[in-house]
Amino acid sequence: GAVVSQHPSWVICKSGTSVKIECRSLDFQATTMFWYRQFPKQSLMLMATSNEGSKATYEQGVEKDKFLINHASLTLSTLTVTSAHPEDSSFYICSALPGNEQFFGPGTRLTVL
Amino acid sequence: RKEVEQDPGPFNVPEGATVAFNCTYSNSASQSFFWYRQDCRKEPKLLMSVYSSGNEDGRFTAQLNRASQYISLLIRDSKLSDSATYLCAVNTGNDYKLSFGAGTTVTVRA
Repeated sequence: GAVVSQHPSWVICKSGTSVKIECRSLDFQATTMFWYRQFPKQSLMLMATSNEGSKATYEQGVEKDKFLINHASLTLSTLTVTSAHPEDSSFYICSALPGNEQFFGPGTRLTVL
Repeated sequence: RKEVEQDPGPFNVPEGATVAFNCTYSNSASQSFFWYRQDCRKEPKLLMSVYSSGNEDGRFTAQLNRASQYISLLIRDSKLSDSATYLCAVNTGNDYKLSFGAGTTVTVRA
């Protein structure tokens, strides 16, 4: 399958700080990437669709000013969690489409103290 | 009603057994369906895509029932390594967005 990487794989930060997560497609170009969040024992919840060269589209209930998405190239999308709080602690996963199927990055585990 | 629902399990089965479970979806316009496998604290990995009535890959068989709006996954000759959470995902439009179920946990014991 296609290879998608994420960095960092885990991060611990203080409340009020911002955290940037990178998602890269390593062996293909991706005009569209997706950002998900997964809380323990729950399913993946789509947060937003990242579109290369244009604004991201956010799902209902997801604050676009808090979760900043930038998709500046065909292989890189970034998610910045601004002014993180403990309730933002979660597993953040990106995916990309080399074709019709989504392949996921390894995820970033965020813990906000 | 949730868009995609799964029996959470857990399904505890002995090695060599057959296990099957379903995933129901609410949107009749859903067009494509996927089964992903997720190991603890890892990302989902694509197991199988289902675009028509079903798909088979080795010991894994997926069936789609559009009339009753569910897809199933059957695992034959279970291996210890099949222990995981199986996520059902459904796409309802042309935008490639997926709605996920909460997953079905399968534990294969020796």
